[in-house]
Amino acid sequence: SQTIHQWPATLVQPVGSPLSLECTVEGTSNPNLYWYRQAAGRGLQLLFYSVGIGQISSEVPQNLSASRPQDRQFILSSKKLLLSDSGFYLCAWDVSGRIGTGELFFGEGSRLTVL
Amino acid sequence: GDSVTQMEGPVTLSEEAFLTINCTYTATGYPSLFWYVQYPGEGLQLLLKATKADDKGSNKGFEATYRKETTSFHLEKGSVQVSDSAVYFCALRGDYKLSFGAGTTVTVRA
Repeated sequence: SQTIHQWPATLVQPVGSPLSLECTVEGTSNPNLYWYRQAAGRGLQLLFYSVGIGQISSEVPQNLSASRPQDRQFILSSKKLLLSDSGFYLCAWDVSGRIGTGELFFGEGSRLTVL
Repeated sequence: GDSVTQMEGPVTLSEEAFLTINCTYTATGYPSLFWYVQYPGEGLQLLLKATKADDKGSNKGFEATYRKETTSFHLEKGSVQVSDSAVYFCALRGDYKLSFGAGTTVTVRA
């Protein structure tokens, strides 16, 4: 069966520090991968998605970036964190080739607090 | 673009009460519709879905019917339990992107 893992689960970082959140999917090949952010008291906002290795699409301009160095690995990064980057970050995947029809499967989430 | 509007909470209920969370959408074409649930401190889990008009999704006593004429996908449960306390998200998918509503926090008291 397929599983998705994110880490770290919780992170407290000072303003201006770098960030790296990692997401790995197991049990499937060539998944579509997504990063969402859930700010306090708000819904979920799509940040990035990827349909293949090295292919990243950004939904909103910001100081975050994403990379997909391997088929089932998706990394969210920042060179210098802002207070507004605080939130709950969720990685998700779905089956390649079924865009537009199926549900996304979410990881456990990573809670980032920027102080 | 596609968007989802859902009833904002918080909603507080007593056990065995009836729950309704309203959800309406705006989309071009024929999107798939979903309800996700987020329990405290956890990621999102799919609760139910419907992929075409008049489809009814159901799971764990929850139901929602895809109403194209009213562009709605309201979530209902006849008798809630304390374990149903969570944040519920209505979502729409017309292409690559899953668009979410703001979420509704539901608290069920014993």
